[in-house]
Amino acid sequence: DIVMTQSPDSLAVSLGERATINCKSSQSVLYGFNNKNYLAWYQQKPGQPPKLLIYWASARESGVPDRFSGSGSGTDFTLTISSLQADDVAVYYCQQYYTTPHAFGQGTKVAIK
Amino acid sequence: EVHLLESGGGLVQPGGSLRLSCAASGFTFSNYAVIWVRQAPGKGLEWVSGISNTGGSTSYADSVKGRFTISRDSSKNTLYLQMSSLRAEDTAVYYCAKLREGYFSSTIDYWGQGTLVTVSS
Repeated sequence: DIVMTQSPDSLAVSLGERATINCKSSQSVLYGFNNKNYLAWYQQKPGQPPKLLIYWASARESGVPDRFSGSGSGTDFTLTISSLQADDVAVYYCQQYYTTPHAFGQGTKVAIK
Repeated sequence: EVHLLESGGGLVQPGGSLRLSCAASGFTFSNYAVIWVRQAPGKGLEWVSGISNTGGSTSYADSVKGRFTISRDSSKNTLYLQMSSLRAEDTAVYYCAKLREGYFSSTIDYWGQGTLVTVSS
């Protein structure tokens, strides 16, 4: 099974500053046939289900603010919030959907400094 | 509007059984794969099980294999999770989620609100 590891487990960033979350998979999630990375990012606020932010590692879901961006390929990926807003306080998860079970990372908690 | 509504959660004793349901609306249920994801109290997300659009393909996490059974009834637009031999570590909020395609290798695009399962004596 593929194991997903996020870093850091938590971070505190000042309003308006950049937040960066890393995600590493134990094996490549890049499918050579279509050159797509089977990697998604979700945001979860307390008491709510997760919400899709990014899919195919870098495609922003409709309605997601453009301060959220995803990058990376193969086994190493990054979620960047370019200018942190108060509404972005949440736990963020990466997930691979290359092969079942579609493992999630352990989550990264983002707070305001 | 896509809507997923889980039900069937509750308190069950270790070794007991429970069946979760997920009523889907707002999309053509038979066209999409659907899955169960759980979240233990204060913990992260765990992918539990998935079923393809036709029901012809299913998959399970090792932690539930042989104890849980996923199924779907497209005539009722409903997803099920039959859980047996329940353990304390199965205690979690169980989310139903829709995938973007009919097969597994696609992202989750909608989630239900979840139903809490508590396994305790």
